[in-house]
Amino acid sequence: QQPVQSPQAVILREGEDAVINCSSSKALYSVHWYRQKHGEAPVFLMILLKGGEQMRHEKISASFNEKKQQSSLYLTASQLSYSGTYFCGTEYVNDYKLSFGAGTTVTVRA
Amino acid sequence: EADIYQTPRYLVIGTGKKITLECSQTMGHDKMYWYQQDPGMELHLIHYSYGVNSTEKGDLSSESTVSRIRTEHFPLTLESARPSHTSQYLCASSGDRRSYEQYFGPGTRLTVT
Repeated sequence: QQPVQSPQAVILREGEDAVINCSSSKALYSVHWYRQKHGEAPVFLMILLKGGEQMRHEKISASFNEKKQQSSLYLTASQLSYSGTYFCGTEYVNDYKLSFGAGTTVTVRA
Repeated sequence: EADIYQTPRYLVIGTGKKITLECSQTMGHDKMYWYQQDPGMELHLIHYSYGVNSTEKGDLSSESTVSRIRTEHFPLTLESARPSHTSQYLCASSGDRRSYEQYFGPGTRLTVT
């Protein structure tokens, strides 16, 4: 079952912040975050493990709320290079595969 | 930088033709995956493998087949291409342990006319 991502799209000005959420109805083992730019392959950002700590990639950080089975990705002081579609991939407790959300398209404008 | 390759990058082919999309990785990864992605849409897992001679179907039903005879090679075959197969196909691989990141290849953009 695919995780639910929100919002579907967000438009930011450089320097603004945004939050992307990824929710699951099944117990999670880990959450992966990837960014895909137009015409390119997805690129790994970070993994949040069950019971693990918050992770960071440059000024992008993420958290994992086990109680809510939800992960949030925080884009802080956004840069033009942050534009792209962000996908969360969820790994369930009894399943080793990743299920990807529908993606959140982020557009950062000067 | 990840070393995972896909060929061809672009393919336009007529209905009914048999095609094979190639995927190779030089990282020695046991786990390999095939995803289908329409433009701007989510990634759907269509096949995966956890090692040589191991293949499984993914969450999205697909008329394609895969094989894993060598660790580094995971080709995807369509016996009879149809316009509904038009999409981008992404190959990925990951390390042996659980929750390792997936490395994606550049993708094959397939158009069936």
